[in-house]
Amino acid sequence: GDQVEQSPSALSLHEGTGSALRCNFTTTMRAVQWFQQNSRGSLINLFYLASGTKENGRLKSTFNSKESYSTLHIRDAQLEDSGTYFCAALTTGGNNKLTFGQGTVLSVIP
Amino acid sequence: GALVYQYPRRTICKSGTSMRMECQAVGFQATSVAWYRQSPQKTFELIALSTVNSAIKYEQNFTQEKFPISHPNLSFSSMTVLNAYLEDRGLYLCGARRENSDYTFGSGTRLLVI
Repeated sequence: GDQVEQSPSALSLHEGTGSALRCNFTTTMRAVQWFQQNSRGSLINLFYLASGTKENGRLKSTFNSKESYSTLHIRDAQLEDSGTYFCAALTTGGNNKLTFGQGTVLSVIP
Repeated sequence: GALVYQYPRRTICKSGTSMRMECQAVGFQATSVAWYRQSPQKTFELIALSTVNSAIKYEQNFTQEKFPISHPNLSFSSMTVLNAYLEDRGLYLCGARRENSDYTFGSGTRLLVI
């Protein structure tokens, strides 16, 4: 079954506001990545976390491996933040398999 | 920084023919390379994972006979879609990873089958 459950599937934000995306994991993961997919399909690395919290500009991400979830917070949203965001998690064990969430389509409106 | 160049960006092939896509890792050693297909519904399906010194592992619903992959060194990987049909359409992405680090993805190859 699905190991990575991402929510919400779609989100509309007015410019200047913020919100959070979340991924829940049904098994223990050893690291998580967050990506933004642009209109051409390229995946842009946002964060890689094995634990804890990282911040970069208006984005902040947390990974709680014990409680099996990760969040991506966006504050002061800008029009150029629109796009599809994906979390992806590395499973434990010897393999290096990266399992993606279903994605969140973010629309930032003026 | 770590970069992955993937080419071609877009390709059209006739039904029943084959096409090959390639990925080049620049600035790091790609000990693992994963090939994905993104469906029209936008979900990512892992096709196969190649790790240095291990056999290439294909996921259920994908086979080496249909999607042969080569990972001959730590900077290059290729995948071929053999006998492409309509259901093989989509965006194919390669991701490369060095030991204990994150995956970096190429820009994808969009396959259209006519």
